[in-house]
Amino acid sequence: EAGVAQSPRYKIIEKRQSVAFWCNPISGHATLYWYQQILGQGPKLLIQFQNNGVVDDSQLPKDRFSAERLKGVDSTLKIQPAKLEDSAVYLCASSPGTAGVEQFFGPGTRLTVL
Amino acid sequence: QKEVEQNSGPLSVPEGAIASLNCTYSDRGSQSFFWYRQYSGKSPELIMFIYSNGDKEDGRFTAQLNKASQYVSLLIRDSQPSDSATYLCAVNKAGNNRKLIWGLGTSLAVNP
Repeated sequence: EAGVAQSPRYKIIEKRQSVAFWCNPISGHATLYWYQQILGQGPKLLIQFQNNGVVDDSQLPKDRFSAERLKGVDSTLKIQPAKLEDSAVYLCASSPGTAGVEQFFGPGTRLTVL
Repeated sequence: QKEVEQNSGPLSVPEGAIASLNCTYSDRGSQSFFWYRQYSGKSPELIMFIYSNGDKEDGRFTAQLNKASQYVSLLIRDSQPSDSATYLCAVNKAGNNRKLIWGLGTSLAVNP
């Protein structure tokens, strides 16, 4: 079974530029999560989708971050414009929609904002 | 008080010893408890989950849950240098739409 796929793996941009990340969850997983992880900290949930609907986006900085999950499968997370403090690893995870809440993570995208 | 607390470490143990990692949580309604391992530069990997009070064993790993005292622990027997990583505790509350509340992680170093 293929795992969670993310791209790109690394991205370097200058502040005020825009960037987009892509995630393809494990086949059949209804729930998809985007996390931000700053070095030395635990993952911080940015947004949670159940199929193509948003369940929780309470910690998403909506003035600059946006996310969508079209057709309930792939998802994109966008930052526009980026700030220095957005430098972090962006993790995508997915979870089965029915039984259990275990989350399975993709490899992450390491973003550096200069 | 943070919702999920872990000692940041580093916890240092000799090879072959038992490593004990602890996690406390604040919400008594919490129902599911997870331990993830994260190697430096890698993403978190699920290693154990536990729902019921008591112990759950999987190979060298044992998760222990005590809901009355609101703590969950992870024991690693016969620790190996390859166990050196950060261990993240995550907790799910009932009716919380599968959202996990994460601790900051405990760094473990197993010395040869």
